[in-house]
Order: sequence, then C-alpha cells, then structure tokens
Amino acid sequence: SAVISQKPSRDICQRGTSLTIQCQVDSQVTMMFWYRQQPGQSLTLIATANQGSEATYESGFVIDKFPISRPNLTFSTLTVSNMSPEDSSIYLCSVVVTASTEAFFGQGTRLTVV
Amino acid sequence: AQSVTQLDSHVSVSEGTPVLLRCNYSSSYSPSLFWYVQHPNKGLQLLLKYTSAATLVKGINGFEAEFKKSETSFHLTKPSAHMSDAAEYFCVVGSPGGYNKLIFGAGTRLAVHP
Repeated sequence: SAVISQKPSRDICQRGTSLTIQCQVDSQVTMMFWYRQQPGQSLTLIATANQGSEATYESGFVIDKFPISRPNLTFSTLTVSNMSPEDSSIYLCSVVVTASTEAFFGQGTRLTVV
Repeated sequence: AQSVTQLDSHVSVSEGTPVLLRCNYSSSYSPSLFWYVQHPNKGLQLLLKYTSAATLVKGINGFEAEFKKSETSFHLTKPSAHMSDAAEYFCVVGSPGGYNKLIFGAGTRLAVHP
C-alpha cells in the first residue's frame, strides 16, 4: 500500500493568485498523476508527473496554467496559476506503487477561488 | 479510444436489499476495469479490479463485479446493502495491465434507506 500526504487539504484563494499543492508518498512509486474533480463531477486527469522532466498533459490542460514538478520518485507539486472561480475544485494526487497493481489516491485539496 | 458510462446517476435501495450499479465501457483493446468508492469528505478507495484474469471479481466489503466482454459491461453488485455503503461509486477504465490515464465514469450516488 501507500500513504499519500497531500497539502494543503483545503484553501480559499483570491482570483489572480497561484496555489501550489504538494504530494508526498511514503513508498517508491512508478507513476504519479494529478486529477481534478469539479463540484459534483467525476475525476479528470490533468497530467502525468514525470521524474526529472516535463509533465505529460492531457487535452485541455496546459503547463502555463498547471505547472507540475516531480524532483524525485516520491514527491510532486501541482501549481494552479492565475486562479479564477472556475478553478474551484478538488485536486487529487494519485500514485502507482512499484510492484503494486493498484492506484492510490490522496485525500485531495479542496480549492475555493473567490 | 476508451470511455466508460455509468448508467445511473443515483440509485436508492433499502438496507438489506441487493445493490446493482451499472457500468458499460468502450475500449479498442482488452481494458483494465476498476470500481472505486468515495465516501463524503474522504479519499477514493479501490473496491475491486479486473485485469484480464477471472471474469468474476470479488472486492472488499462484499462487493463483486462481473466482466462481460460480449455486453461490454462491468456491473457492480452486493447481495445485501448496509447503511455504510452509502457513497459515490466510480467505474474506471484503464490501459491493459496498467494505470496510465485512468478514465472515470460520471459516478453513481448510492443511497441506502433503513
């Protein structure tokens, strides 16, 4: 299994500002992902966080808006830039642990933009 | 391309009666299929997974699902609902044998009444 620490758990931010969300895992992982869950909606994959290189973004998501870093195997950050109320969502970190066949999810960061 | 359709947005059952949550998938290859549960203000938890082994998959908390290729379905069932089963359930499709680009269904909210 894997224990994922995601910080902050929630935040209220002013429009036009940026928020960086951290994801720390207690195990060696092969893959790390970032998802968004808009209010009342399902989860949508934002990007795959690649160690030591640029993240791989899904259609509709761009690096300028959602820069991602992954400096090592167990840590990643997602920044939500120049926020607007439409960015109000839950952002979740997900990992696949080495030698595991399960994807684990963090508790999420509940972001409200006012 | 892959996609997943959860046929019911809301399901309501009485405690002690059977649960059926329906899911159909579309994939150009043999997919990996999952059911996740999300309790209010809690993280996602894996209920069960299908990765091309046995077509009847047993999961946690008495849930099971049957992979039916001819019907492209992966319905989730439980013989007897418990109040604690009330939650949001997501059917998820992934790439064969892996967890790249998990695609989530819209979700089914299960309500359990006394």
